[in-house]
Amino acid sequence: SQQGEEDPQALSIQEGENATMNCSYKTSINNLQWYRQNSGRGLVHLILIRSNEREKHSGRLRVTLDTSKKSSSLLITASRAADTASYFCATDRGGSYIPTFGRGTSLIVHP
Amino acid sequence: DSGVTQTPKHLITATGQRVTLRCSPRSGDLSVYWYQQSLDQGLQFLIQYYNGEERAKGNILERFSAQQFPDLHSELNLSSLELGDSALYFCASSEGGRKETQYFGPGTRLLVL
Repeated sequence: SQQGEEDPQALSIQEGENATMNCSYKTSINNLQWYRQNSGRGLVHLILIRSNEREKHSGRLRVTLDTSKKSSSLLITASRAADTASYFCATDRGGSYIPTFGRGTSLIVHP
Repeated sequence: DSGVTQTPKHLITATGQRVTLRCSPRSGDLSVYWYQQSLDQGLQFLIQYYNGEERAKGNILERFSAQQFPDLHSELNLSSLELGDSALYFCASSEGGRKETQYFGPGTRLLVL
């Protein structure tokens, strides 16, 4: 089974609204990363948060990490149509440095 | 553009055949990772090479093999292809072998008929 699982599987919003995606994982991690994938394209790294960090910002992105709940959230503020993509969280387990990807959240932002 | 290149972009072949996918990492990156992405399995890690040597192995079938050459480019060989091998195959690279952000190539779309 996947180490990281994103929720919801799909999200449809209007331009200008905020989008929140969640990721839950099962075992302890060194860090958690979020990636974006436009349809049929390669993944693009968005942000990395380490296990000793609780929150991180990058432009319109805000990521939180709660290691006690083994969960993370990605917030995209003031969404744009160009944000339409699939978003994946990737975790590397405590003893391994290979990121394990979830199945992703498909985000559609309507103009 | 991530700086990682993959060839070919598309590949259509028949069951039982063998294909080779090629990846050139970003300049200076020593690690190469191969992933398979399919609708039912999601993004699956296959194998990692670091500076020419195998570093980690994931869900890679015995029919699949890979190598990284002295110039750091990598090839993924898929043999005795089955319908279920149809998928997007991504290569990613990173500077080192651990805890590093990965940069993904555009992928090779393989269709096995």
